[in-house]
Amino acid sequence: KQEVTQIPAALSVPEGENLVLNCSFTDSAIYNLQWFRQDPGKGLTSLLLIQSSQREQTSGRLNASLDKSSGRSTLYIAASQPGDSATYLCAVVIGGSEKLVFGKGTKLTVNP
Amino acid sequence: GAVVSQHPSRVICKSGTSVKIECRSLDFQATTMFWYRQFPKQSLMLMATSNEGSKATYEQGVEKDKFLINHASLTLSTLTVTSAHPEDSSFYICSARGRVRETQYFGPGTRLLVL
Repeated sequence: KQEVTQIPAALSVPEGENLVLNCSFTDSAIYNLQWFRQDPGKGLTSLLLIQSSQREQTSGRLNASLDKSSGRSTLYIAASQPGDSATYLCAVVIGGSEKLVFGKGTKLTVNP
Repeated sequence: GAVVSQHPSRVICKSGTSVKIECRSLDFQATTMFWYRQFPKQSLMLMATSNEGSKATYEQGVEKDKFLINHASLTLSTLTVTSAHPEDSSFYICSARGRVRETQYFGPGTRLLVL
């Protein structure tokens, strides 16, 4: 059974700092991996999607990497801003399936 | 990007009543819709997958007679929580996927509180 773990559960940083969020998954047979952002009481916004054949994806200040063989992904946020404060969720699509398996998320607080 | 809406955004009901939640894809045709439940500080858990015009596929441990799902059109799926109990209080989120099998687009969620 695929399990997704995110570390740390919560992170608080000062504005301007670069940071890394970690995601690990137990079964490397994934179709793709996605990073989402969830604001309190809201739905999910897709940030980056990495196909299983890819190593990384970039969008603005965000960079996500994928090491499928070791079951790890990282989300790098450069020059963090208070507006980046949210919960960041990592999810994988199991190969041969269309189901997303989510981690519990990392709650990020960027202090001005 | 594609837009998915949910209605209502928040609902409070008495124990024993039924509650219907709507999920709509506003600018694309959703051949598949997914329903998730999220408890505080927990992961989103997939409840069921529905394809337009066919019966939903429920995940293990999810009671299909309690959580009725209807996907009658390519833009609308509904989740009905029947005979709701306080333990059904949760955040319910839907997502929709178009014909291209890539990403799911998520709705804003519905907060259900059963008293």
